[in-house]
Amino acid sequence: GQSLEQPSEVTAVEGAIVQINCTYQTSGFYGLSWYQQHDGGAPTFLSYNALDGLEETGRFSSFLSRSDSYGYLLLQELQMKDSASYFCAVGDDKIIFGKGTRLHILP
Amino acid sequence: NAGVMQNPRHLVRRRGQEARLRCSPMKGHSHVYWYRQLPEEGLKFMVYLQKENIIDESGMPKERFSAEFPKEGPSILRIQQVVRGDSAAYFCASSQLAGGYNEQFFGPGTRLTVL
Repeated sequence: GQSLEQPSEVTAVEGAIVQINCTYQTSGFYGLSWYQQHDGGAPTFLSYNALDGLEETGRFSSFLSRSDSYGYLLLQELQMKDSASYFCAVGDDKIIFGKGTRLHILP
Repeated sequence: NAGVMQNPRHLVRRRGQEARLRCSPMKGHSHVYWYRQLPEEGLKFMVYLQKENIIDESGMPKERFSAEFPKEGPSILRIQQVVRGDSAAYFCASSQLAGGYNEQFFGPGTRLTVL
């Protein structure tokens, strides 16, 4: 089977940096992706890592280590609008999502 | 370039009624996926369709649920004889390509409430 583990909640301060970890078990690995979902909203794609290493997109970066079946999402210069749930996911046509990490940001 | 469209956005049904959820993929996309999300949970894959074909329905309950993506018109997720446990947000996504990783674009979802 396929499964992903990520913390259920993380709290950080506005302007700070936060890291959300994800470990996975899967077969036929195509890469690790990350999605953001605000309350009542649709998931939106943030990043995708097919190879080991760090991918940077503005304030967000994502890291993958295939040998460790581990990845993380790094959010820098946190803004209040970053308060949302973040999901790691694996799969190709059939995406398997983690249960999500709710990010709380304190002013 | 319109994104993925879903309607209705909110749907209320009484137990035993039928629910029909519609999804129009992004222009140029021929692959459609349906996911269900319970409160405080991640999205769960239900079904993957191409035009007129069901490719993978491994996440779809065997009874009461069906999906189609006709040659013309939107994809439809149909739930017959709804029960309270069907209350959830149902998201549709579409992609241009398939096989290997291809970004899926999600619609705003249909929130189904069963009374």
